Amino acid sequence: AQSVSQHNHHVILSEAASLELGCNYSYGGTVNLFWYVQYPGQHLQLLLKYFSGDPLVKGIKGFEAEFIKSKFSFNLRKPSVQWSDTAEYFCAVMGTSGTYKYIFGTGTRLKVLA
Amino acid sequence: NAGVMQNPRHLVRRRGQEARLRCSPMKGHSHVYWYRQLPEEGLKFMVYLQKENIIDESGMPKERFSAEFPKEGPSILRIQQVVRGDSAAYFCASSPVPRGQKAEAFFGQGTRLTVV
Repeated sequence: AQSVSQHNHHVILSEAASLELGCNYSYGGTVNLFWYVQYPGQHLQLLLKYFSGDPLVKGIKGFEAEFIKSKFSFNLRKPSVQWSDTAEYFCAVMGTSGTYKYIFGTGTRLKVLA
Repeated sequence: NAGVMQNPRHLVRRRGQEARLRCSPMKGHSHVYWYRQLPEEGLKFMVYLQKENIIDESGMPKERFSAEFPKEGPSILRIQQVVRGDSAAYFCASSPVPRGQKAEAFFGQGTRLTVV
C-alpha cells in the first residue's frame, strides 16, 4: 500500500530563512509526486509536480523539489521564505498501478515570522 | 472557468441526521476523489469515483458513508446518522484524465461539517 510521511509537523522560520520540508513515500513502483499548499481557510493548490524526467522540479512562488528515487524522497525547498508563505504544505503520491488514487501526507504547518 | 465547486461550504447537523455533501468537478473532468481532513491528520483518502462507477472505496468507513457520481449532476458524499466524530472538513478533488495518466488533482474549497 502507498503511504507518505512528512516528518516535520510544525516549522517556524523567520523571513528570508531557507526552507526544506521532508517527504518520504512508500511504494514499490513508479510514482507521480506532488506538493500542494493550503493557505488558511482556502483549498489546496498545486505547488509543483513530478511525473518523469529531470528530478529537480521548479514550481510556483520560488518553490522547488528534488526527487531522489534511491531515498524514496521528494523534499520541498525554497531559498528564502516570505511571511506570505505561512500555510500548510502537503506532499502527495500517486502510484502508476492499481487504482491511481492520490495519497497525502499529514502535512507540515509552516509559520513565517515577519 | 469554474473550478471544483463544493456545497455547502458549512454544514451543521444534529447527531442522528443525514449529511449530504455535493461536489461538481471542473468542466471536462470525469474523475472525482473525496478526502476527509482532521486537524493534525492531513488528508485521508475516502473514495475515488468515475461517472457511474466507484473505482476505489478503500478509505470509506464501512457503515453510514456512501458516495455516488451519477451520469448527470454532482458527486454526492452521504453520511447517514451522523455522530460527533464525523465533524471534519471534507474535500473533493477532480482530475481530467483516465487512470494512470499524468495529471494533478484540482481541489474544491471543502465542506466543513459540524455535528452538534
